[in-house]
Amino acid sequence: EDQVTQSPEALRLQEGESSSLNCSYTVSGLRGLFWYRQDPGKGPEFLFTLYSAGEEKEKERLKATLTKKESFLHITAPKPEDSATYLCAVLLTQGGSEKLVFGKGTKLTVNP
Amino acid sequence: GAVVSQHPSRVICKSGTSVKIECRSLDFQATTMFWYRQFPKQSLMLMATSNEGSKATYEQGVEKDKFLINHASLTLSTLTVTSAHPEDSSFYICSANRVLGGMYTFGSGTRLTVV
Repeated sequence: EDQVTQSPEALRLQEGESSSLNCSYTVSGLRGLFWYRQDPGKGPEFLFTLYSAGEEKEKERLKATLTKKESFLHITAPKPEDSATYLCAVLLTQGGSEKLVFGKGTKLTVNP
Repeated sequence: GAVVSQHPSRVICKSGTSVKIECRSLDFQATTMFWYRQFPKQSLMLMATSNEGSKATYEQGVEKDKFLINHASLTLSTLTVTSAHPEDSSFYICSANRVLGGMYTFGSGTRLTVV
């Protein structure tokens, strides 16, 4: 069964305290791995797509990396406005169509 | 670019009534749109995939007759929750994929409360 597991479930950081979020997956036919940010009561906001092991992408204080079994979202010197739930999703092909399978997310809180 | 508009953002309805949620891709054509459901502190669960001009594909366990999906054009998909019950109360989110692929953009979600 295809699975996406995110850890930790929740993370509290002080402003400026760097850390990493993990997304591990066991899937067949991975087409890509997505990271999204979701604020309360809102839809997910796209951050990154990674397609192959070794790939890295950066945006402001965020950097996403990918291996054959997991992805990391590194947050450098976070600010309170980075507080949100970060979702990881894998893109699969099933029955000739594509679909995203999401993890449960990591709720990040950055204290000033 | 790649904006998806979802309407309404909140709706309260009485048990037994039907509610329609719209999902529009504003600046691109979407061959495929997806409908998700999210419970508090839970992940997004895919309900169905809708393709323009054809029937939607529903995930296992999702009632086709309760959650009616129509994808009438490359920019509009609708989800109708029929004969809603309190257990249908949830956060519903749509997503659209560009014709040229690779961009999964989400709407802002609809909070449905059935009383």
